[in-house]
Amino acid sequence: GAGVSQSPSNKVTEKGKDVELRCDPISGHTALYWYRQRLGQGLEFLIYFQGNSAPDKSGLPSDRFSAERTGESVSTLTIQRTQQEDSAVYLCASSYRTGGRSNQPQHFGDGTRLSIL
Amino acid sequence: GDSVTQMEGPVTLSEEAFLTINCTYTATGYPSLFWYVQYPGEGLQLLLKATKADDKGSNKGFEATYRKETTSFHLEKGSVQVSDSAVYFCALTTDKLIFGTGTRLQVFP
Repeated sequence: GAGVSQSPSNKVTEKGKDVELRCDPISGHTALYWYRQRLGQGLEFLIYFQGNSAPDKSGLPSDRFSAERTGESVSTLTIQRTQQEDSAVYLCASSYRTGGRSNQPQHFGDGTRLSIL
Repeated sequence: GDSVTQMEGPVTLSEEAFLTINCTYTATGYPSLFWYVQYPGEGLQLLLKATKADDKGSNKGFEATYRKETTSFHLEKGSVQVSDSAVYFCALTTDKLIFGTGTRLQVFP
């Protein structure tokens, strides 16, 4: 497909387990973003990758959260020792990036709905 | 830091009513401004954008004008339809995308 693909679409796990979420960006998009959307709330920025630059991790809520991206392809978001407060929809987005400004629109995946029991 | 403030919802309207959803922003530099829409059960989609002051973004009958003097980017539509029922997010970017909390629009026939 041509869009951003995320997997799994739903994940239910027990408190304390580790989870790994995957994002396949649109081919050619150099920028990749992860967001969290709790029920009834807005989007919360987590982390941003741009090419080979060091990622912007300023939104990660704790050291239990980490993310990796290989080149300009797939990214994985890992949450260790999950807590109930981690329950949310995790959204991935990708975009082109021109110069020093990200005025290109971001294209979002459908998200992974994570439920921690 | 950069931030976006949009009116709380839900906004409840009858079909064919006029819609305004207010959005104001705080940013250093010169952000680009966006409206995204999330229809029930679907992912986020870009609705419209404006990249510099006085630009007007428009799509599907929706419009928003980048007002630097009032730091606003209000979303308007002259005549809403039931199919416009969704959550609307205002966002800005200078480096990374910053979203408002979203405004739920409910349109009744």
